[in-house]
Amino acid sequence: GQSLEQPSEVTAVEGAIVQINCTYQTSGFYGLSWYQQHDGGAPTFLSYNALDGLEETGRFSSFLSRSDSYGYLLLQELQMKDSASYFCAVLTTDSWGKLQFGAGTQVVVTP
Amino acid sequence: DGGITQSPKYLFRKEGQNVTLSCEQNLNHDAMYWYRQDPGQGLRLIYYSQIVNDFQKGDIAEGYSVSREKKESFPLTVTSAQKNPTAFYLCASSIGEGVSYNEQFFGPGTRLTVL
Repeated sequence: GQSLEQPSEVTAVEGAIVQINCTYQTSGFYGLSWYQQHDGGAPTFLSYNALDGLEETGRFSSFLSRSDSYGYLLLQELQMKDSASYFCAVLTTDSWGKLQFGAGTQVVVTP
Repeated sequence: DGGITQSPKYLFRKEGQNVTLSCEQNLNHDAMYWYRQDPGQGLRLIYYSQIVNDFQKGDIAEGYSVSREKKESFPLTVTSAQKNPTAFYLCASSIGEGVSYNEQFFGPGTRLTVL
């Protein structure tokens, strides 16, 4: 079966950097995605990695190491509005067309 | 504006009643999905459809049913067979080809409470 692991909660102060790790066990790995969800809201897509390396989108970056079955989302210059849950999700060729989501990491930003 | 709409935002039903949640998209996406989210939990896939008139069970399909008669619409029925239906239900869509499956667009969700 497939499994994804990410920390349940991370707390940091405004202006800091937070790294959310995601390790996965899948067969037929195709790509790793990240989503943000504010409390009570809908998830929104942040980034996607299919190849090893770092993808940067403004203050957020995402990294993938296929050989280590590992990725992370890096949040820089944290702002209060970044307080939310962050989910990693994998797409595999074995389950083509659907994403398997992790349980999510709640990021709490304090003043 | 293009997007996904779900209605209603809040829904209350008595135990034993079937209820249908609406999901409509005007993004011209081929693929649509239904997820269930319980407090403090991740997203669990109920059903998905990659094309009109076709759909597949997800990880927790028991007690749910769907139809996909039109590209724009993917309604979900929560039947009385679903043991614990109170949850937040999210509908999503994606373009439906290749790498685009990684990017799903979500509706605002329906919070269902069964009394």
